[in-house]
Amino acid sequence: QVQLVESGGGLVKPGGSLRLSCVASGFTFTDYYMSWIRQAPGKGLEWIAYISSSTSHIKYADSVRGRFTISRDNAKNSVFLQVSSLRAEDTAVYYCARGGGFDPWGQGTLVTVSS
Amino acid sequence: DFVMTQTPLSSPVTLGQPASISCRSSQSLVHRDGNTYLSWLHQRPGQPPRLLIYKVSNRFSGVPDRFSGSGAGTDFTLTISRVEAEDVGVYYCMQSTEGWAFGQGTKVEI
Repeated sequence: QVQLVESGGGLVKPGGSLRLSCVASGFTFTDYYMSWIRQAPGKGLEWIAYISSSTSHIKYADSVRGRFTISRDNAKNSVFLQVSSLRAEDTAVYYCARGGGFDPWGQGTLVTVSS
Repeated sequence: DFVMTQTPLSSPVTLGQPASISCRSSQSLVHRDGNTYLSWLHQRPGQPPRLLIYKVSNRFSGVPDRFSGSGAGTDFTLTISRVEAEDVGVYYCMQSTEGWAFGQGTKVEI
């Protein structure tokens, strides 16, 4: 069964950092590129970062470029998102998703930025 | 950048009746490979989104055939032929022709 499980969210002060993780199972991880998408409370979906299977291609949304870093460890079937210089508007559920069609999605991990 | 605009943003529906949602892109979604990468996703309350339709009109595995997608270029439609109670939630269109961008979402409620 294809599954993605995120972790690492929590409450953080403005300017702080977190490292989000997403562990994949049930498929050949190296066959897929991976993305992170976020959803602010009560709001819509925002794609924020993508990484190719070999890590040779990485892309970010303008809203997070320079503050967030996506990476992956193919040996551990994991993709990560280092989120830094956090702002209140970064408060959201952060999802990882597989491939270009975003299938499937994990359950998400909540990041709350508040003093 | 691609801007995806959905209408309506809220759609009261009646069980057993049809429903449709429109999605318009600010640019053509035809990729240089000839495919059109327009998808529809459904998000139930408290759940992550799940893929319903990909490349305009292809139902994903396990998606009931009451869901159908149509359109071309910049204008697309998701149609539910007969709404069931489990269809409530928010529907998003998404383009992946160049990068990724979502519509604002359409809330479907009975």
